[in-house]
Amino acid sequence: GDKVKQSPSALSLQEGTNSALRCNFSIAATTVQWFLQNPRGSLINLFYLVPGTKENGRLKSAFDSKESYSTLHIRDAQLEDSGTYFCAADITGNTGKLIFGLGTTLQVQP
Amino acid sequence: DPKIIQKPKYLVAVTGSEKILICEQYLGHNAMYWYRQSAKKPLEFMFSYSYQKLMDNQTASSRFQPQSSKKNHLDLQITALKPDDSATYFCASSHGTVSNERLFFGHGTKLSVL
Repeated sequence: GDKVKQSPSALSLQEGTNSALRCNFSIAATTVQWFLQNPRGSLINLFYLVPGTKENGRLKSAFDSKESYSTLHIRDAQLEDSGTYFCAADITGNTGKLIFGLGTTLQVQP
Repeated sequence: DPKIIQKPKYLVAVTGSEKILICEQYLGHNAMYWYRQSAKKPLEFMFSYSYQKLMDNQTASSRFQPQSSKKNHLDLQITALKPDDSATYFCASSHGTVSNERLFFGHGTKLSVL
């Protein structure tokens, strides 16, 4: 959790609003991945990122390797977006090991 | 239709016993992993295998032994179980182990050691 710091740790949103989650790295990450752990416990891969930006529906993510951070933007939040969002950094480049943050727990309210 | 199958979903064990956690993936991936999720801790990398060869081992204890009988299998044997081993163990896979590979997780095995 100290090499990959996520903020905020918890967040409550009204349905239809927007938010941004952030991940700061104290290590040199080559790539970043974002996951959603849903209330059933399943881990869903949302994004794999090299430095740059990707968008998928209402989600948009960016990774800046020089400034060592990544963001995940959620637009028009829906109830099914609730869960815990994890970012994970690849620092080795060749063993597949990812370093995870502690997560941001998001609750979307109707 | 899950492509990474973990068995069992829940497991209760007594201290000192031995258990095997099963993982099979049907994504055609060449690399498989074990991660552990304990309360109040980040998901923790344990092992990575590529083409059935150990790539990285971050587990200090030899009580944890991965076993790969086939390229799409990576089981985890845990011996001399302790209450601190209680956690959810996630198997994962990717096409390869180099840094440009997306990771996919199974649904996890929740282990409780009494």
